Amino acid sequence: AQKVTQAQTEISVVEKEDVTLDCVYETRDTTYYLFWYKQPPSGELVFLIRRNSFDEQNEISGRYSWNFQKSTSSFNFTITASQVVDSAVYFCALSGHSGGGADGLTFGKGTHLIIQP
Amino acid sequence: ETGVTQSPTHLIKTRGQQVTLRCSSQSGHNTVSWYQQALGQGPQFIFQYYREEENGRGNFPPRFSGLQFPNYSSELNVNALELDDSALYLCASSLAYGGAGNTIYFGEGSWLTVV
Repeated sequence: AQKVTQAQTEISVVEKEDVTLDCVYETRDTTYYLFWYKQPPSGELVFLIRRNSFDEQNEISGRYSWNFQKSTSSFNFTITASQVVDSAVYFCALSGHSGGGADGLTFGKGTHLIIQP
Repeated sequence: ETGVTQSPTHLIKTRGQQVTLRCSSQSGHNTVSWYQQALGQGPQFIFQYYREEENGRGNFPPRFSGLQFPNYSSELNVNALELDDSALYLCASSLAYGGAGNTIYFGEGSWLTVV
């Protein structure tokens, strides 16, 4: 069975601070995919990144960066110079070899990020 | 915006009633899936449809059913509503089934309250 753990239920930081959201996953698949989504109060899940299990390169997109480490089964997400607009619930998700097909995505419980002005 | 639209956005139903939620997929996407998100929890996979057939299902009872239409729009039907069915229901679409990690795009969801 697949499992995603986001141990940080809520994080509160002051604007412009850097913040890292942790994600640890469990899977028996050798091919799998990892995702991060942002959920603002409106409810829509906003896609941020998809990473397959064969690509361990870290990725940077503006103020966002992701650190994928298979050795520790972690896929952490860092926001640099946080802004109030970054406030939201962030979900890490995992899918099996079908890429989120028939088995769907397995989500963590989410981390509520609060950026204070 | 993802191009995935859902209706209604909010609704209230009485226990025992039936509800139908609707979803229009992003243009060009032929696969739709539904998720249930209880308050304070992550979304839970209900099922997926591809070419108008259900091809994957999570741990949900048969009273949760769905349809996918030729234009790839979809419905989620829930019969005999229970109080625990109160949740945000999210529709998601993607291109092709079985593709290598195709990105899945979500709509804004339908908030269902069962009283």
